[in-house]
Amino acid sequence: EPEVTQTPSHQVTQMGQEVILRCVPISNHLYFYWYRQILGQKVEFLVSFYNNEISEKSEIFDDQFSVERPDGSNFTLKIRSTKLEDSAMYFCATSPGRGQYRNQPQHFGDGTRLSIL
Amino acid sequence: AQTVTQSQPEMSVQEAETVTLSCTYDTSESDYYLFWYKQPPSRQMILVIRQEAYKQQNATENRFSVNFQKAAKSFSLKISDSQLGDAAMYFCAYRGRFNNNDMRFGAGTRLTVKP
Repeated sequence: EPEVTQTPSHQVTQMGQEVILRCVPISNHLYFYWYRQILGQKVEFLVSFYNNEISEKSEIFDDQFSVERPDGSNFTLKIRSTKLEDSAMYFCATSPGRGQYRNQPQHFGDGTRLSIL
Repeated sequence: AQTVTQSQPEMSVQEAETVTLSCTYDTSESDYYLFWYKQPPSRQMILVIRQEAYKQQNATENRFSVNFQKAAKSFSLKISDSQLGDAAMYFCAYRGRFNNNDMRFGAGTRLTVKP
């Protein structure tokens, strides 16, 4: 079964540094999402992306965050200047999203554990 | 805004017994999807089961079944013949049908399975 692939599995970064989290969506999927889960807390929506632009974002997704799909393959989440509170598990999810596939669930990657020191 | 509530932070069950995890949600939308995801210690998010709100029949996947009460906005998960591998965090989630927007998650229920 096709999978959403996230790299790296664990990223350790100094506070104030930039970090880029990568996701390879399932090939025929059109909608992409980033979620965050702080340790011991629930999964929170960050942003959704369709047709090379952000379709929706939460209040968590402030100016230090950005997303892009630079090469038509990877879907990336960039955190410009990391803070201690950015430490969390970051999940990428994708879905087919159109027509008869509109009811398909989002498929989650295994997540990237981000640790800010 | 849609909210999802899981009122049981922790539950435990004896191996081979049955356990029910509760979930309620709030929405003004008429059609939507509901999901249960399992998150083992490895922290992957694994889809367990999903329910389409316009279907009256409760979804079933092997030992997992749901009790979907649309009027009450309730979506509980029943795990029959519990196994040690069922131990995990379980998250209830909601997504509107007509927008490919985000999923809203509950706070989770930690399930312990006792041998």
